[in-house]
Amino acid sequence: DTAVSQTPKYLVTQMGNDKSIKCEQNLGHDTMYWYKQDSKKFLKIMFSYNNKELIINETVPNRFSPKSPDKAHLNLHINSLELGDSAVYFCASSQSRNSYEQYFGPGTRLTVT
Amino acid sequence: KQEVTQIPAALSVPEGENLVLNCSFTDSAIYNLQWFRQDPGKGLTSLLLIQSSQREQTSGRLNASLDKSSGRSTLYIAASQPGDSATYLCAVATSGTYKYIFGTGTRLKVLA
Repeated sequence: DTAVSQTPKYLVTQMGNDKSIKCEQNLGHDTMYWYKQDSKKFLKIMFSYNNKELIINETVPNRFSPKSPDKAHLNLHINSLELGDSAVYFCASSQSRNSYEQYFGPGTRLTVT
Repeated sequence: KQEVTQIPAALSVPEGENLVLNCSFTDSAIYNLQWFRQDPGKGLTSLLLIQSSQREQTSGRLNASLDKSSGRSTLYIAASQPGDSATYLCAVATSGTYKYIFGTGTRLKVLA
């Protein structure tokens, strides 16, 4: 069984659209993360939730809004998509906010045309 | 502000060679350092995690060392195999934060 899963795996959309990426973990972890990996392969954290509470919010445009309906899910909604949003988005989870061992999902490749 | 750099950016070696990947970081106040492997189209797989109090960790053919004072870590891969071909990422968790800062990675290709 997949520990951290993301849907969709690929997403192609036009500028200006609104889209969501979903993430689920079945590890019983309390903390979940969203990372963005740009075209130069640089991986940078965007958000982190601990038990549905936002604990990390990096300098990300407010077009990006994470939502955590429960501690096993962390979705990422993006409004008014721009070309620069094209990247691979990775979800990850860890047992707690104090646990640095993170488990990553397979990524969602977003292409904005 | 923590910055993590990895050199080389890309590396090609013949099968069987021993190799070293380098990672440097600017803030020595780290909680731990982790090496990840990323295969094309896949997520990240944790290889080795070194706590700030440790000097090295070993797993099979992999050995990671940590020198906090100089802000450096190395990943040593012994007897490389084509299956080792991947991008290797170094990530540093700075004390007092709950996040990793990643390096830009080293893309390794092991030729059969």
